[in-house]
Amino acid sequence: DTGVSQDPRHKITKRGQNVTFRCDPISEHNRLYWYRQTLGQGPEFLTYFQNEAQLEKSRLLSDRFSAERPKGSFSTLEIQRTEQGDSAMYLCASSFTTGIEKLFFGSGTQLSVL
Amino acid sequence: AQRVTQPEKLLSVFKGAPVELKCNYSYSGSPELFWYVQYSRQRLQLLLRHISRESIKGFTADLNKGETSFHLKKPFAQEEDSAMYYCALKETSGSRLTFGEGTQLTVNP
Repeated sequence: DTGVSQDPRHKITKRGQNVTFRCDPISEHNRLYWYRQTLGQGPEFLTYFQNEAQLEKSRLLSDRFSAERPKGSFSTLEIQRTEQGDSAMYLCASSFTTGIEKLFFGSGTQLSVL
Repeated sequence: AQRVTQPEKLLSVFKGAPVELKCNYSYSGSPELFWYVQYSRQRLQLLLRHISRESIKGFTADLNKGETSFHLKKPFAQEEDSAMYYCALKETSGSRLTFGEGTQLTVNP
């Protein structure tokens, strides 16, 4: 197992286009998180899943953003009608909820909206 | 709302010198505090957590509830400690982490 995998690594899109990112967590992990990070800032929480249930969404997550984890395994994050302000690194993390939770992060998807 | 503040964006020390990365938080409950680290071209990873009271790679951090701080310390910095360090807080009843803005530590030879 190579850890949390995110695809693509980089995405360049034009304003107004839709984009979708994928995250494959560590196989036995039941929790999956999405964070967003802009230059000079720490990661900001977007949403998380426990198995296939989306349990929490940040107020940062406008209705243009939607996330799914249909079978409790991989997850997708879709951004509709992208705006330049959506340009950021999108990080996925997974964990197993036993004992003290430890997040394992992916390498991220760098989104640039032109 | 909870908030994590790392007052130093950049910190530079010489090899062998002590290092302290500051972290202050605001939260009305009893938080869980963490330090995450990102080495050059690597993923963000957990360094240590206050609840474990552990020392990892020579680093320690003590939660001071009176001063609402969770500073990261190491008595003798090494060049391989150069990285971006993030302090993070988790609420008692939640799962999300609130991160600080990060401190870029550079250890010079």
